[in-house]
Amino acid sequence: GQNIDQPTEMTATEGAIVQINCTYQTSGFNGLFWYQQHAGEAPTFLSYNVLDGLEEKGRFSSFLSRSKGYSYLLLKELQMKDSASYLCAVRDSNYQLIWGAGTKLIIKP
Amino acid sequence: IAGITQAPTSQILAAGRRMTLRCTQDMRHNAMYWYRQDLGLGLRLIHYSNTAGTTGKGEVPDGYSVSRANTDDFPLTLASAVPSQTSVYFCASSEGSESEQFFGPGTRLTVL
Repeated sequence: GQNIDQPTEMTATEGAIVQINCTYQTSGFNGLFWYQQHAGEAPTFLSYNVLDGLEEKGRFSSFLSRSKGYSYLLLKELQMKDSASYLCAVRDSNYQLIWGAGTKLIIKP
Repeated sequence: IAGITQAPTSQILAAGRRMTLRCTQDMRHNAMYWYRQDLGLGLRLIHYSNTAGTTGKGEVPDGYSVSRANTDDFPLTLASAVPSQTSVYFCASSEGSESEQFFGPGTRLTVL
């Protein structure tokens, strides 16, 4: 079967750095996405990785290792507005997205 | 209209009733999707459409139907609602199946 695993909840301090991990087992791999979802709102796109390595976009970076079936999202200089759920999704061999349950990130002052 | 709109925002429905959730996008995206999101679970794909005139089944299609008569609209119909269909429903679109998906604001549906 297909499976995306990520921690249910994480807590971090404002101004700090946090890493959210995602491991996956899917039928085929055509890219990995990270989305942010604030409570009661729609998911919004953060990053996309299809090749191994690090993609940096401002305070957010995403890393992929295809051989390990592993990705992480790195958030730097945390702000209170970063409190949200972070969703990992893998595009499978049928070009459909398989989603993890999401990691709820709580930022404390 | 800017992006994707969904209607209604929320709905309480009696079991056995028929319900259509509406989704409209103005980005001229080819692909559209319907997901449901339940607490503790990831988004699950119900149905999708890679282009106007075509539709396909996702992971959890039973009890739902869709149509794609034109590029902009992708309605989701529950023929006879059941309580297990209580969920938040998100419509999404993308330029193609290889592109990032953009999501509508969601419809919160409660079936009693």
